[in-house]
Amino acid sequence: ETGVTQSPTHLIKTRGQQVTLRCSSQSGHNTVSWYQQALGQGPQFIFQYYREEENGRGNFPPRFSGLQFPNYSSELNVNALELDDSALYLCASSFRPVTEAFFGQGTRLTVV
Amino acid sequence: AQSVTQPDIHITVSEGASLELRCNYSYGATPYLFWYVQSPGQGLQLLLKYFSGDTLVQGIKGFEAEFKRSQSSFNLRKPSVHWSDAAEYFCAVGAGSNDYKLSFGAGTTVTVRA
Repeated sequence: ETGVTQSPTHLIKTRGQQVTLRCSSQSGHNTVSWYQQALGQGPQFIFQYYREEENGRGNFPPRFSGLQFPNYSSELNVNALELDDSALYLCASSFRPVTEAFFGQGTRLTVV
Repeated sequence: AQSVTQPDIHITVSEGASLELRCNYSYGATPYLFWYVQSPGQGLQLLLKYFSGDTLVQGIKGFEAEFKRSQSSFNLRKPSVHWSDAAEYFCAVGAGSNDYKLSFGAGTTVTVRA
């Protein structure tokens, strides 16, 4: 059984660019959630996908968007990058009705 | 909406001493409660969870936590700390089995001194 994997582990982008982060959910899980963790803070919920549909969204602007694929892997897309988007982006997968979420190692995004 | 407060930003403890990390939550119904640990530059690892039933829950790495509804608390404890326990600890609350959104506290950094 494989855990949650994210790619890439690190990347650097320029302000105004677009970025795509990827997540493979844990085997048997059909729900993926994305979180943003700024330096020195707790993770903040961005959105969740369940069976390929968005199933809840946190307080993030529309330039944060996502997808979930039939194999339940997921992408997080961020357009028009801003300096404040620099953070660790965490993906978590889970299986309903169980609520425990298992996290990947994260993608460290730096916007310069 | 649910929220979590971790009153202690940083705790220093001697190796072999006991550890208690505080967590207070705000939620109208019975919450789902979690403790996660994060080592530098790493993702989050689930230590333990509370859904219902026995209010004292056991987790991995010798940790336990107690749910106290009257105090809206879910404090994490370990009787004897090891140097490898140095990390950041996050308490999180979920609203229920149909809502996987987790609200996290700001975290408590634990330093272990020899």
